[in-house]
Formats: sequence, C-alpha cells, structure tokens
Amino acid sequence: NAGVTQTPKFQVPKTGQSMTLQCAQDMNHNSMYWYRQDPGMGLRLIYYSASEGTTDKGEVPNGYNVSRLNKREFSLRLESAAPSQTSVYFCASSERTSTGELFFGEGSRLTVL
Amino acid sequence: GEDVEQSLFLSVREGDSSVINCTYTDSSSTYLYWYKQEPGAGLQLLTYIFSNMDMKQDQRLTVLLNKKDKHLSLRIADTQTGDSAIYFCAAANNAGNMLTFGGGTRLMVKP
Repeated sequence: NAGVTQTPKFQVPKTGQSMTLQCAQDMNHNSMYWYRQDPGMGLRLIYYSASEGTTDKGEVPNGYNVSRLNKREFSLRLESAAPSQTSVYFCASSERTSTGELFFGEGSRLTVL
Repeated sequence: GEDVEQSLFLSVREGDSSVINCTYTDSSSTYLYWYKQEPGAGLQLLTYIFSNMDMKQDQRLTVLLNKKDKHLSLRIADTQTGDSAIYFCAAANNAGNMLTFGGGTRLMVKP
C-alpha cells in the first residue's frame, strides 16, 4: 500500500541545472499538489492539478513547471535551479471530497549549490 | 488570500495537556485541519473540523473553533513523548480542494 511516492528523496543540483521531481499516487485520486516547505513558513503551494489534464498555479509558481502525465503521475520541473529553491518538496494527492484531506509523500530534499 | 498563523514552539512535560493555537483570516473557510509531521516524514492528517462546529473530540484530541475570532486550537490530553512533532493548522477554501497551511508549531515533550 504505497500511497504517494516521490523520487528522488535527495538531490544536489548546481545553480542553473535543470531537474525534475517525480510523484506517483496509487489511490486513484483526482487532485495532486506540489508544496515546498521552508523553516517557519509552513507549506506553500507551488502548483496543483485538480484533475488529469489540468494544472494551475499556486502561491509560489515562479521558476517551476509541472506536468500531469496521467491520473497517477504529477512531476515538478526546475528549469534552471537557483539557491532560493533549496527546500523540501512535498507531493500530495486528494479526492475531491468535501473534507479535502491531503495524503502526502515523504518529501524530496533539494539543495541547490 | 488566506493567511494562517501559528506560534513556532511549545514545550510541555509528559502527562500534561498541550494546547496549540492557530488563527486564520478567511471567514469562508469550510474545513479546518490539524496535520502532524514527524521528523523526516510527510504530513499526516490528525483531525479536522467543519466550520459550523464549535468542538470536536477524538480520543486524546480536542479541537475548538471560535469562528467569530477565526481561532482554532488543538488540545492534546496526557501528552506523551511520541507526540513530539510539528503540528500544522490548515484552512480549506470553499471548494475544499485547496489548503493554506500555517508555519507549524514544534511540540517538544519532556519526560
């Protein structure tokens, strides 16, 4: 029973490099999300996908792109990594129920040199 | 947009009650949540409360909602060392599919 799986768990790109974080969920959820977590700032929404084929910007989308490849997979791409993007990234999914409960992956720690 | 605020840190002794507080700004928030994050892990839902409720109890957890003041609290009775974690308050939008999180409160439980 995997839930939400993120890869890689750790990455250390150099400034200017591009990289992609992968996320997959096996709960048949419609909605998927990418958050970043920085100390004392909680989780901030980068992008979300309410359903397969749609994506929307969240609170902090600059410097990121996303792809909702199919219902299971939602990837986050940094086109040109910057030190300000050093963070822990969480993918989450939810069914579009009235409670809106999110199920989170274990996180991907990114350190941009 | 919605703004959710929490204090950063709380320290209690094992066996005491813990109270973690949260304020939010959007009075139309439909659901309010408490998530728990243990070291090196993602967030897990602890409990939630619908905006038309004042209180919800779930074993050792009690959630109080003051909608007028836009204040939410989480009380943990008989706090154990295993309760040491970061606790996040979150508020849902009208559609219930987007959450705004507070900065998290780190709870430290001393034996």
